[in-house]
Amino acid sequence: AQTVTQSQPEMSVQEAETVTLSCTYDTSESDYYLFWYKQPPSRQMILVIRQEAYKQQNATENRFSVNFQKAAKSFSLKISDSQLGDAAMYFCAYRSTYSGAGSYQLTFGKGTKLSVIP
Amino acid sequence: EAQVTQNPRYLITVTGKKLTVTCSQNMNHEYMSWYRQDPGLGLRQIYYSMNVEVTDKGDVPEGYKVSRKEKRNFPLILESPSPNQTSLYFCASSKSRGPYNEQFFGPGTRLTVL
Repeated sequence: AQTVTQSQPEMSVQEAETVTLSCTYDTSESDYYLFWYKQPPSRQMILVIRQEAYKQQNATENRFSVNFQKAAKSFSLKISDSQLGDAAMYFCAYRSTYSGAGSYQLTFGKGTKLSVIP
Repeated sequence: EAQVTQNPRYLITVTGKKLTVTCSQNMNHEYMSWYRQDPGLGLRQIYYSMNVEVTDKGDVPEGYKVSRKEKRNFPLILESPSPNQTSLYFCASSKSRGPYNEQFFGPGTRLTVL
């Protein structure tokens, strides 16, 4: 079974600065998808960014980008020009391409709580 | 507006009293699933459904039931709730079971079992 590890339970960043959230995963599969979800105080789960394992290029979405290191099984999220609205819990998630039992389920890390300091 | 809705949003109940949390999506999605979120554990999948009348267990199915009689609805049933089922529950749906498809999450249901 796949596991996802977020080693930073909490982090903080000054407004307008850059912060990187870490995520590592364990899998024996070669093809899979990785996601970062944001959960603000409203509790809504919002997809921030996704990465397909077979793509070499790191995904970017405006101020959000990832550093995907497939060999190291690492998938970090960089937030540039941090804003107060970025304060939230961030979850890293893995989704297999395996079509058997438990097919395509999202496996989540335990989350990193990000605080943004004005 | 495309969305996943859950009801109720908050529920306090007592041990053993059967309850149902409803989930509905208006996007004609095939794939639906239920997760529970507990502090320090992230989200864990309870059950999922790949289409009408097709359901299967996730990682933590004990104490839960689901049904998928219509494509848009995927209720979560707790036949005899216990305090260890106190949690935040999310329903999610995606266009199909393909892993590239974004999962859209409902707003969550906070359940407390006394």
